[in-house]
Amino acid sequence: GDSVTQMEGPVTLSEEAFLTINCTYTATGYPSLFWYVQYPGEGLQLLLKATKADDKGSNKGFEATYRKETTSFHLEKGSVQVSDSAVYFCALSRTGANSKLTFGKGITLSVRP
Amino acid sequence: DTAVSQTPKYLVTQMGNDKSIKCEQNLGHDTMYWYKQDSKKFLKIMFSYNNKELIINETVPNRFSPKSPDKAHLNLHINSLELGDSAVYFCASSQGDRGEQYFGPGTRLTVT
Repeated sequence: GDSVTQMEGPVTLSEEAFLTINCTYTATGYPSLFWYVQYPGEGLQLLLKATKADDKGSNKGFEATYRKETTSFHLEKGSVQVSDSAVYFCALSRTGANSKLTFGKGITLSVRP
Repeated sequence: DTAVSQTPKYLVTQMGNDKSIKCEQNLGHDTMYWYKQDSKKFLKIMFSYNNKELIINETVPNRFSPKSPDKAHLNLHINSLELGDSAVYFCASSQGDRGEQYFGPGTRLTVT
């Protein structure tokens, strides 16, 4: 079945550091890929998405590129802020009736001033 | 305006009780979902409805019964609550295939 694997956390960075959060997936065909963010005490918000190979999703300075050859969708940001502290989830979904989101385990990012 | 809303936000109850969580979306979406987030933050699909029809039921115990009176509402009723049901339950909605899902704020259920 489908699965999403994220790097182990938590991750602690200093403000303005470069961020990479690794995500790989296992799925047949061409799923859509997503990054969701969960700020403390809140629900999930879509951060960015990509629906086909080589697509780059971007939002709020975050970027991720859909790499079919490596089945990856790594999240990057050039300069993190304290306000980026949250839990980040990589996820995939398929077309059709079974369009559920399959999530990775999530990773907690803490950014210190 | 809140896109996906859930009530209540917090729910504390005793083992054996029956409780319901309500979800409403005003986005005009045709598909709604329930997800469970455990204490380690892991998220897993429970159910999904498309235009009031059950589409996904992911091996959830029969004590959990979703109900969709119309496509803007998806409620979750839980019978005979157990300690292991303690979690955060998220409602979400989407439109069409491959669409991104919009999540509610979550309901934190604590069973004592």
